[in-house]
Order: sequence, then C-alpha cells, then structure tokens
Amino acid sequence: EDQVTQSPEALRLQEGESSSLNCSYTVSGLRGLFWYRQDPGKGPEFLFTLYSAGEEKEKERLKATLTKKESFLHITAPKPEDSATYLCAVQRVSGTYKYIFGTGTRLKVLA
Amino acid sequence: SAVISQKPSRDICQRGTSLTIQCQVDSQVTMMFWYRQQPGQSLTLIATANQGSEATYESGFVIDKFPISRPNLTFSTLTVSNMSPEDSSIYLCSVGRVETGGEAFFGQGTRLTVV
Repeated sequence: EDQVTQSPEALRLQEGESSSLNCSYTVSGLRGLFWYRQDPGKGPEFLFTLYSAGEEKEKERLKATLTKKESFLHITAPKPEDSATYLCAVQRVSGTYKYIFGTGTRLKVLA
Repeated sequence: SAVISQKPSRDICQRGTSLTIQCQVDSQVTMMFWYRQQPGQSLTLIATANQGSEATYESGFVIDKFPISRPNLTFSTLTVSNMSPEDSSIYLCSVGRVETGGEAFFGQGTRLTVV
C-alpha cells in the first residue's frame, strides 16, 4: 500500500538555525513528489515538484532533494516567516493523478 | 498556477442538514479533487471530480454522503449530506493540469462546524 511518512512531527528552530525535514515514501511507481507549505486557516501553497532520484530544487531558503525512498526539505538560515506546516505528497505513475499526503511537519522559527 | 474561489469560507450548520460547497477556477483544469482536513491533521482525499461523469470516491467515502458534481472544466460542487458533528472539518478543493506536470493548487478551504 502506498504510504508517505514525514518526520519530525514538529520542529522548533532558532532564527538562523538550519535544519532538514524528512519525507519517506513507499509507492508503486513514482510520478512525482510534491512539497507544500500550509499556513493556519489557509489551503496548501505549492513549493516544489521532484520527479526523479538525484533531482534538486531551490527557492529562497528552501531546497528540496529526492532519493528513491525519501525526500528532504532543507531550510537554510530560517526566519520567523518560515513558520508553517510543510506537507509532502506523492503521485503514482499509474491510475489517476491523485495525491497521497504525509502528515506534515509543523515548523516554528523563533526570533 | 490557477486562481481558485471556494465558497462558503466557513459555515455553522445544524445536524441532519446538508451543505453544498462550490469551487470555481479561473481557467480550465484537467484535475479537480476534494479533500478533508481534520484540525491539526493532514489531507485526506474524498474523491476525484470527473467532468461529465460520476466522481471517483476513495475508500470510506460514499456518494450518498458526499455527492459531487462537475458540469464543466472550471466548476465543481461538494455536498456534505445529513451532517453530524463528526463532519466538522475543513474541506478543500484542489485543481491541476496534467499537461503542466501534475502539481495541484488549493482553494482557501471551507471550515465547517456541525452543531
């Protein structure tokens, strides 16, 4: 069965303290892995798509990487405005284009 | 990307009643999905809204409880029927285009409270 697991569940960082969020997945044929950011009371906001192992994407202080079993979201020198829940989702090669979401990591960056 | 308008943004409903949530997109999209998000939890897919045909429901969700319509490529509705307090949740519409890589975009959500 397809499964997506994110760790840690919650993370508190001091401003400027770099860290990584993990997304482990089991899926029968990966079409793509997606990272989203969700602020309280809002819908998820698209960040990155990764399609194959070894691929990397960057946006400001965020960098996403992908292996055959997991993805990492690296946050370099975070700021308080980076505080949010980060969600990972996978899409299978076969069938519909539906997403399977992980449980998310709640990030809090302290000033 | 796509601009998604979801209505209502929130509602408080009596148990036993029904609520219809609308999702309007500013351009044609291939994919439309409906998700539920319990407070503090991740997203659970309810169904894929298929244009001109019956929606495809995930395990644990049935058409009688969550009827979905998608009359065209820019509009869909989700109805939550015969509501109970357990239906209190955030309901999210999601859209995407296969031809642009499959990434999905989300509406702001509908916060439903059933009393």
